[in-house]
Amino acid sequence: SAVISQKPSRDICQRGTSLTIQCQVDSQVTMMFWYRQQPGQSLTLIATANQGSEATYESGFVIDKFPISRPNLTFSTLTVSNMSPEDSSIYLCSVEGLAGLQETQYFGPGTRLLVL
Amino acid sequence: QKEVEQDPGPLSVPEGAIVSLNCTYSNSAFQYFMWYRQYSRKGPELLMYTYSSGNKEDGRFTAQVDKSSKYISLFIRDSQPSDSATYLCAMRAQFYFGTGTSLTVIP
Repeated sequence: SAVISQKPSRDICQRGTSLTIQCQVDSQVTMMFWYRQQPGQSLTLIATANQGSEATYESGFVIDKFPISRPNLTFSTLTVSNMSPEDSSIYLCSVEGLAGLQETQYFGPGTRLLVL
Repeated sequence: QKEVEQDPGPLSVPEGAIVSLNCTYSNSAFQYFMWYRQYSRKGPELLMYTYSSGNKEDGRFTAQVDKSSKYISLFIRDSQPSDSATYLCAMRAQFYFGTGTSLTVIP
């Protein structure tokens, strides 16, 4: 399994500002994923970060609001732009890996964001 | 209708109890089923995974899949305070293949 770290672990931000979340993996991976986990809800996929090309966004998420960078195979950033209180959530980075013979996802510790 | 339904709880049980956690799903294409455990202020960690219908046991944990009913369960025996966490079910589909493109390279 991959070891994934995220920075910052938590932050409190003002409305209208932007926050960039970093995700570092200890091994090279093809795809990295960004999820949002709102209170009492499950994980919602925001986008897939592809190295060397633009990220692929899920329905309801757009690049202007959540720009993503993927400069190499071990690192990605997600920016939450022009934040509002509705963006308060846990943001999780994940990668695919093998559990036995099965592809599954491994998650970072998450970034807890509170927007005032 | 959501593709995956899971009772959010909260669920509170005495130490030593048998816990049953369940999910239902609607997409018959789902073939791989996983349970993640998420401790407070941590990311989800893979707990168990299974492919076929039936039971898979790992220590105090048993994952059960019933594809005919589109229903999966996680049983925790002899539950411990350290089991206190949020449990997430996850599932994914099989691979889908196109019909294939026949290519002939003419010398």
